[in-house]
Amino acid sequence: GNSVTQMEGPVTLSEEAFLTINCTYTATGYPSLFWYVQYPGEGLQLLLKATKADDKGSNKGFEATYRKETTSFHLEKGSVQVSDSAVYFCALSGGNQFYFGTGTSLTVIP
Amino acid sequence: GAVVSQHPSRVICKSGTSVKIECRSLDFQATTMFWYRQFPKQSLMLMATSNEGSKATYEQGVEKDKFLINHASLTLSTLTVTSAHPEDSSFYICSARRGELTDTQYFGPGTRLTVL
Repeated sequence: GNSVTQMEGPVTLSEEAFLTINCTYTATGYPSLFWYVQYPGEGLQLLLKATKADDKGSNKGFEATYRKETTSFHLEKGSVQVSDSAVYFCALSGGNQFYFGTGTSLTVIP
Repeated sequence: GAVVSQHPSRVICKSGTSVKIECRSLDFQATTMFWYRQFPKQSLMLMATSNEGSKATYEQGVEKDKFLINHASLTLSTLTVTSAHPEDSSFYICSARRGELTDTQYFGPGTRLTVL
């Protein structure tokens, strides 16, 4: 079956620190992979996506590479800002639905 | 593009009443919309998949008579929580898929339901 395992948080970083949030998946077939971000009290916003192996999704300084050999889609950012504080969800698309990770809360302190 | 709105953003109601939540795709047609429920500090739980012009497909454990879903047009889906109880209090989020050739879902801002 399809599932997503995401690094547990919460994660607290100082401004300008390097960020990695781990995400691994199990899937049948060839799913698309996504990272969504949720700010307090809001819905989810698409951050980036990758549709096939070795694709790299990137947006707003965040990057993630679809690694089929390690079944991973880790989220990285070289220098985080206070405004990046949010909950990040890894997800995969299988069949007609999404499978979400449990979410990782990130707090960036000045 | 790909904006999804929800209304209301917050609603407080008395136990036993019904509440309707609207989900609209503002700048695209959505043949498929999804309804999720999110508990505090938890991930999203898919409740049902809504296809325009047909009955919704509910996930196991979700009461279809309690959570009525209507997808009457390509830009509007509604979720009605009937005879609401305090345990129905939650954050409800809808999403829409932009056409059948993409699997990306665009999410609404969510509706905070509090049942007293």
